[in-house]
Amino acid sequence: QQQVKQSPQSLIVQKGGISIINCAYENTAFDYFPWYQQFPGKGPALLIAIRPDVSEKKEGRFTISFNKSAKQFSLHIMDSQPGDSATYFCAASTTSGTYKYIFGTGTRLKVLA
Amino acid sequence: DSGVTQTPKHLITATGQRVTLRCSPRSGDLSVYWYQQSLDQGLQFLIHYYNGEERAKGNILERFSAQQFPDLHSELNLSSLELGDSALYFCASSPQVSNSPLHFGNGTRLTVT
Repeated sequence: QQQVKQSPQSLIVQKGGISIINCAYENTAFDYFPWYQQFPGKGPALLIAIRPDVSEKKEGRFTISFNKSAKQFSLHIMDSQPGDSATYFCAASTTSGTYKYIFGTGTRLKVLA
Repeated sequence: DSGVTQTPKHLITATGQRVTLRCSPRSGDLSVYWYQQSLDQGLQFLIHYYNGEERAKGNILERFSAQQFPDLHSELNLSSLELGDSALYFCASSPQVSNSPLHFGNGTRLTVT
């Protein structure tokens, strides 16, 4: 119940295309859903986050879509660029009960020039 | 630069040995999290401390222990090391215990031979 399932495991997109990464969760107590970006040799860095009171959040080329009833959320990268090539992690956390901050298994994105 | 400092960057040791990984959180951050990232694996939550107190435990082995000191730095102790413990160990910090962005260090790469 504490898992966050992420797909796909890897993704190849042409420059200018849309990259879509999906995550699903079970625990309805999760109430914070961030996405992190990780480059090789670096720690993950926060990209964008959403709370369940909104269905979409957009920051520049990055958009989170959130479906509370389906317990799913996704990251859309518009106009994907080679510099976006990285590993992306979704996460979920809750302050209800034993507080945990759980990450998905990651998606390795490669954007072809 | 996230402001989170992890030392050492690399550590090579033999099976059966004990090592200590150190983390200095961002100035003012009270929460410290430890994660393990194995090759092609996601971020496995190990443990969370807030202002010196343990707040949550994940899939942390009994051979592993951690603590957060009064100056808020944290140490992760790994003992009776096995080959399978070889991984990247990340520390992350945040200002509070509730849902908020995590700021990651660049990790300690542990190799057990």
